Amino acid sequence: DQQVKQNSPSLSVQEGRISILNCDYTNSMFDYFLWYKKYPAEGPTFLISISSIKDKNEDGRFTVFLNKSAKHLSLHIVPSQPGDSAVYFCAVYSGNTGKLIFGQGTTLQVKP
Amino acid sequence: DAGVIQSPRHEVTEMGQEVTLRCKPISGHDYLFWYRQTMMRGLELLIYFNNNVPIDDSGMPEDRFSAKMPNASFSTLKIQPSEPRDSAVYFCASSWRRARGSGANVLTFGAGSRLTVL
Repeated sequence: DQQVKQNSPSLSVQEGRISILNCDYTNSMFDYFLWYKKYPAEGPTFLISISSIKDKNEDGRFTVFLNKSAKHLSLHIVPSQPGDSAVYFCAVYSGNTGKLIFGQGTTLQVKP
Repeated sequence: DAGVIQSPRHEVTEMGQEVTLRCKPISGHDYLFWYRQTMMRGLELLIYFNNNVPIDDSGMPEDRFSAKMPNASFSTLKIQPSEPRDSAVYFCASSWRRARGSGANVLTFGAGSRLTVL
């Protein structure tokens, strides 16, 4: 009964190319959608978020797209850099409860 | 601010032993969360507190797990007795609650406690 799913456990891309990470969710009632990045031996850190009333949010090389009809979220990284190699978690947020529910994570490897 | 501080960073114990994980949230944050990271389930929410009061513990796996927050600057997650399947990285995170419609809570995570139960 996982509410947030990241179906790709891993992704490998060449430096300079685009990385696309995907996430699906089941409940239409979430208010915000977030991406976190995690390096080994560290806690996850916030990367970017998007409100449920928007379909795109951009911050430098990172863009998050929201498709509410498909209940689908994606993160685009352009251009990808070796330092982007990490585990990426998508998360959904409910303003009613104040809690974040995370997916399983996708390990991104950017090759030089 | 030193961020969210968790201890111990690593714990190796034997099955049946009691394990206590500790967390000091960021001063001023009124939400505290405990998550567990596993390969299969990713970051799994175990329990969260608001103003030291447990709000939702539906993610706690079973009665062997318990969590407390005696004051705004300290929380514990206890496993008694521990089992090998409890082996995971446990994260504590804290945040302050934004007003509805002004953005999502952005959690700040600690570095995690890696638990190995033999």
